[in-house]
Amino acid sequence: KQEVTQIPAALSVPEGENLVLNCSFTDSAIYNLQWFRQDPGKGLTSLLLIQSSQREQTSGRLNASLDKSSGRSTLYIAASQPGDSATYLCAVSPSSNTGKLIFGQGTTLQVKP
Amino acid sequence: NAGVTQTPKFQVLKTGQSMTLQCAQDMNHEYMSWYRQDPGMGLRLIHYSVGAGITDQGEVPNGYNVSRSTTEDFPLRLLSAAPSQTSVYFCATGQGPLEQYFGPGTRLTVT
Repeated sequence: KQEVTQIPAALSVPEGENLVLNCSFTDSAIYNLQWFRQDPGKGLTSLLLIQSSQREQTSGRLNASLDKSSGRSTLYIAASQPGDSATYLCAVSPSSNTGKLIFGQGTTLQVKP
Repeated sequence: NAGVTQTPKFQVLKTGQSMTLQCAQDMNHEYMSWYRQDPGMGLRLIHYSVGAGITDQGEVPNGYNVSRSTTEDFPLRLLSAAPSQTSVYFCATGQGPLEQYFGPGTRLTVT
């Protein structure tokens, strides 16, 4: 059974720091991996999607990498800002024909001014 | 273009009552799914659909029914609400197995 783990569960950093969030999964047979952001009391916003054949994706200050063979993904946030404070979730899609996602429990990030 | 809409935003039910959570999308996506989010448990898949007329169970389907009569709508029915179904419910849609888009959620409390 696929399991997704995110470490750390919580992280607090001063504004301006570069930081890395980690996601690991137990079964390397994934179709893609997606990173989401969730603000308190809100829905999920998609940040980046990495296909299984890709190694990384970038959007602005965000860079996500994928190492399928080792079952790991990282989300790198450059020059963090207080507005980046949120919970970050990673999710893997185990198949190509369902859209199903298996989620980690998230990392709650606080960026202090 | 409203994206994914969910109604209601909040609901309080008494044990044994039934209700339907609505999910609608205007992006002509094939795939729709329902998740529940609980503290310490993350998001878990309840039911999903790969197209009109096709539904299947996810990880935690007990106590819930779904149907998909149109591409746009994917309602989630609670047959007889229980306190264990207190949760935040999210609907998601996607075009195939690509990027999934989530609705704003329905916060349900069962007393």
